[in-house]
Amino acid sequence: EIVMTQSPATLSVSPGERATLSCRASQSIGRNLAWYQQKPGQAPRLLIYSASTRTIGIPPTYSASGSGTEFTFTISSLESEDLATYYCQQYENWPRTFGQGTKVEIK
Amino acid sequence: EDHLVQSGGGLVQPGGSLRLSCTGSGFILGPYSMAWVRQAPGKGLEWISYISSTSDSIYYSDSVKGRFTVSRDRAHNSVYLQLSSLRDEDTATYYCARGHGGNPGRWFDPWGQGTLVTVSS
Repeated sequence: EIVMTQSPATLSVSPGERATLSCRASQSIGRNLAWYQQKPGQAPRLLIYSASTRTIGIPPTYSASGSGTEFTFTISSLESEDLATYYCQQYENWPRTFGQGTKVEIK
Repeated sequence: EDHLVQSGGGLVQPGGSLRLSCTGSGFILGPYSMAWVRQAPGKGLEWISYISSTSDSIYYSDSVKGRFTVSRDRAHNSVYLQLSSLRDEDTATYYCARGHGGNPGRWFDPWGQGTLVTVSS
């Protein structure tokens, strides 16, 4: 099983500042990575697939990069609506596995 | 807009059974693979099951293998997750999600609203 490790567990950022989240895979997964946003009390929502491709309707304030075992997700200018937990998910192998999440707080 | 509507959660005793339903709204489920993901209270996401569009590929996580069964019904535009031999640790919100990115499904979008399953005596 591929273990996905996200850091930090919690990130506190001031409005307008940049937020950078990390996701590490226990083995190479190429670019087979997705990012999801889960707001409190809501279902997860897909933001990014293939490591860096935004899904339809996702603004360019969200971006992501990486390949192999190291991946990064960035919110370029934090807004209050970005308060959420963000999860990475690998689809290189079965079982599909998620990171434990990074909770983004507004400072 | 495509939606997934879930039903079937509730309170069940340890060792009991429950069936969860997930119905497509605004689109036909048939061409898509589907997944089930759960989230224990205050915890992260755990993928637990996958069914391909033709039902010829089905996968389970080790944590539910042999106890849960996924199926789909084109006539009802639905997929189902039968939960059996339930344990306390199965208490979670269960989400269905549509697979994308070819066969097998790779990433998941959209997700259902979730349904809470509580296993307790």
